[in-house]
Amino acid sequence: AQSVTQLGSHVSVSEGALVLLRCNYSSSVPPYLFWYVQYPNQGLQLLLKYTSAATLVKGINGFEAEFKKSETSFHLTKPSAHMSDAAEYFCAVSETQRALTFGSGTRLQVQP
Amino acid sequence: KAGVTQTPRYLIKTRGQQVTLSCSPISGHRSVSWYQQTPGQGLQFLFEYFSETQRNKGNFPGRFSGRQFSNSRSEMNVSTLELGDSALYLCASSVSGDRVGEQYFGPGTRLTVT
Repeated sequence: AQSVTQLGSHVSVSEGALVLLRCNYSSSVPPYLFWYVQYPNQGLQLLLKYTSAATLVKGINGFEAEFKKSETSFHLTKPSAHMSDAAEYFCAVSETQRALTFGSGTRLQVQP
Repeated sequence: KAGVTQTPRYLIKTRGQQVTLSCSPISGHRSVSWYQQTPGQGLQFLFEYFSETQRNKGNFPGRFSGRQFSNSRSEMNVSTLELGDSALYLCASSVSGDRVGEQYFGPGTRLTVT
């Protein structure tokens, strides 16, 4: 069965600092991996996805993630945080591309 | 192109009642998936419909059901509401449902059960 673990339910960074949100997955087959962002009172927006092409995936808003099979990780990074990045971020895995299994989420706070 | 719309946005019901939530997908999308989001359980997959047929189902009791109409609009129904059903219910649409990374999510319906 597939599963996702997001380390750190809350992460706080200063504006301009590196953002690193951690995600580890478990899957019995080569997985499809995703990062979503959710702003207050809104639905989910896809940031980026890994579908077995390049291991370094670039997404929207300057975010990127690297698929590391040996570490079963798919951490999300952004070189320089912006106040508008404050939101909740979800890592998700899918084995079939028909349904997503989400992590518990990480709330990112950006300090001025 | 209009996005995924969900109605109502907010709903308050009493324990034991039933509720119906509606989702209108993006024009041309034939797959609709539903997810439940709670602080305790996080985001969980409920079910997915394609061309009026349920193709996938998550691990939820039979009180949770859904359907899809010929125009791809979908409804989900929860009968005999329990306090634990209080949640944000999200629907997502995609063209075929075969690529979850191509799903677009609606803003959700926040259900409060008292």
